[in-house]
Amino acid sequence: SQQGEEDPQALSIQEGENATMNCSYKTSINNLQWYRQNSGRGLVHLILIRSNEREKHSGRLRVTLDTSKKSSSLLITASRAADTASYFCATVGANQAGTALIFGKGTTLSVSS
Amino acid sequence: DSGVTQTPKHLITATGQRVTLRCSPRSGDLSVYWYQQSLDQGLQFLIQYYNGEERAKGNILERFSAQQFPDLHSELNLSSLELGDSALYFCASSGQQGPYGYTFGSGTRLTVV
Repeated sequence: SQQGEEDPQALSIQEGENATMNCSYKTSINNLQWYRQNSGRGLVHLILIRSNEREKHSGRLRVTLDTSKKSSSLLITASRAADTASYFCATVGANQAGTALIFGKGTTLSVSS
Repeated sequence: DSGVTQTPKHLITATGQRVTLRCSPRSGDLSVYWYQQSLDQGLQFLIQYYNGEERAKGNILERFSAQQFPDLHSELNLSSLELGDSALYFCASSGQQGPYGYTFGSGTRLTVV
């Protein structure tokens, strides 16, 4: 079952624009992570934010976390065509057995030049 | 190369058959996770092994089983295959310090005909 739900499902922008993707989840978490997947390829870890953090930056990526609303957002600034991919949020539940990531259904980002 | 090796990359087999997917985790990682990705179900967590022992189960069918060997490689066995089992199967690994920065393999694309 899915823990997170990304919004929007699909996003099309021009190069240079910013892209914002949102994720909502259902249960208390230890951390939330964002991954990128190029078509049919493996997932690549982008950034992790712990439950006691509110914002984190990595290069052109900015992630926020609001545990009271059980939501997170991923901002990609100055998008490039190479950013075209699917983006997934994933959580590790605070009370789950094991440490598996539970993924949302993803946002498909298309950046045109 | 992510450090997680999955074989084979592609597999085509008939309904009712049995297949084995193999995963070698990144060096030093003790946890191995298996995921199934299909268009309609998204990324579904199947099962986690930690240092040879089953740690957590997700949406794994009874027709599927897995194990992790002493050298930490893992195999996912899929039997009595159905058309609906056609999907991308990913393996991921993580270090013993926690679920941070999972590393995914490039996946095995299974087609059941």
